Amino acid sequence: GAVVSQHPSWVICKSGTSVKIECRSLDFQATTMFWYRQFPKQSLMLMATSNEGSKATYEQGVEKDKFLINHASLTLSTLTVTSAHPEDSSFYICSADQGLAKNIQYFGAGTRLSVL
Amino acid sequence: AQSVSQHNHHVILSEAASLELGCNYSYGGTVNLFWYVQYPGQHLQLLLKYFSGDPLVKGIKGFEAEFIKSKFSFNLRKPSVQWSDTAEYFCAVNAPDTGFQKLVFGTGTRLLVSP
Repeated sequence: GAVVSQHPSWVICKSGTSVKIECRSLDFQATTMFWYRQFPKQSLMLMATSNEGSKATYEQGVEKDKFLINHASLTLSTLTVTSAHPEDSSFYICSADQGLAKNIQYFGAGTRLSVL
Repeated sequence: AQSVSQHNHHVILSEAASLELGCNYSYGGTVNLFWYVQYPGQHLQLLLKYFSGDPLVKGIKGFEAEFIKSKFSFNLRKPSVQWSDTAEYFCAVNAPDTGFQKLVFGTGTRLLVSP
């Protein structure tokens, strides 16, 4: 149980285009999902907390207009990197909180974004 | 702000050797503590967690961790590692100031177990 699917696993795009990444909880409902960014040889840095039906809460220094997050249902959150540039190239990982006050996050496999 | 330190960035062991990975956190109050593992090409998986109670926590695959409040530590241990334990290990903490929601991760420790 508690499987989180993330798609795509790898995307290459041209500078200036937008890319959408999907995160789905397959066998549970997730009122809260999280988006992280991981730079090479570094830890996961929380970008934003996404709550179903409301606006995402962004961490300090994360541009909300650059990284659009939508959490339209209890099983799906999306991250759109708008007008991507090479410096946005990174590994993006989502997680979902199982809720029920368990405070345990289950992670997707991540999306490697390469912006040319 | 909370921070998590993992002092060992790379660890190389032979099979059957014992493992201990260090984790220290900076938050002074009640915390939840986690160890996650990321096998090559796979997603982060929860190894074990500590919320309260017995400070010695047992997880999956023979791993255990000990919470020592006075040292702000939550070290991960395994008495005898296997080649299949080759992976990256992340310590993480969340705290009541974020409703125990936001995870703060350490920088990770890459473990290589040679057969």
